[in-house]
Amino acid sequence: NAGVTQTPKFRVLKTGQSMTLLCAQDMNHEYMYWYRQDPGMGLRLIHYSVGEGTTAKGEVPDGYNVSRLKKQNFLLGLESAAPSQTSVYFCASSPNGLAGGLKTQYFGPGTRLLVL
Amino acid sequence: DAKTTQPPSMDCAEGRAANLPCNHSTISGNEYVYWYRQIHSQGPQYIIHGLKNNETNEMASLIITEDRKSSTLILPHATLRDTAVYYCIVRVAADYQFYFGTGTSLTVIP
Repeated sequence: NAGVTQTPKFRVLKTGQSMTLLCAQDMNHEYMYWYRQDPGMGLRLIHYSVGEGTTAKGEVPDGYNVSRLKKQNFLLGLESAAPSQTSVYFCASSPNGLAGGLKTQYFGPGTRLLVL
Repeated sequence: DAKTTQPPSMDCAEGRAANLPCNHSTISGNEYVYWYRQIHSQGPQYIIHGLKNNETNEMASLIITEDRKSSTLILPHATLRDTAVYYCIVRVAADYQFYFGTGTSLTVIP
């Protein structure tokens, strides 16, 4: 049981390049999330998914797209990377989020992205 | 608008109890209080959560005031490995989003 995994762990991009970050979970969780964390700040939600085939915008969705074609995978795409997207990206998953608020999020190890 | 207010940093001596405060004066009746922590460069880790009763688990205790406008996370015997940023979050059960603030940076001193 690997939990939540993220690939790659680190990436350097040039401005305007595109890339996809992959998040995978083996806990059969319904809900998955993508966050970014900038230095000295907490996590900000980019997009999330409440089930296979569904996605929704979070706090800071601009410049990112996501897809949830399979329940276990949640992809985050940057179509045209900008220096402002330099950050650490965390993926998380959780089981049913409606059960009285008793469910928690499980986080991946993070992906460090540097956009030059 | 920030839902929670936490001190930016705290120190605690190793072996002593660490008491981390959080103000959530605008909390509504159906919002839970969650605590997470993040050790440097790692993903956040769930610690504990509660609605209105005090809670305890193997990691920590959560004390929520009667009016629910503030809470305290207690690490009973802090170790060096407890050095981390601690986030207090309030959320509605049906809300899919977790709003992380800037948290409290706890340093456990030998």
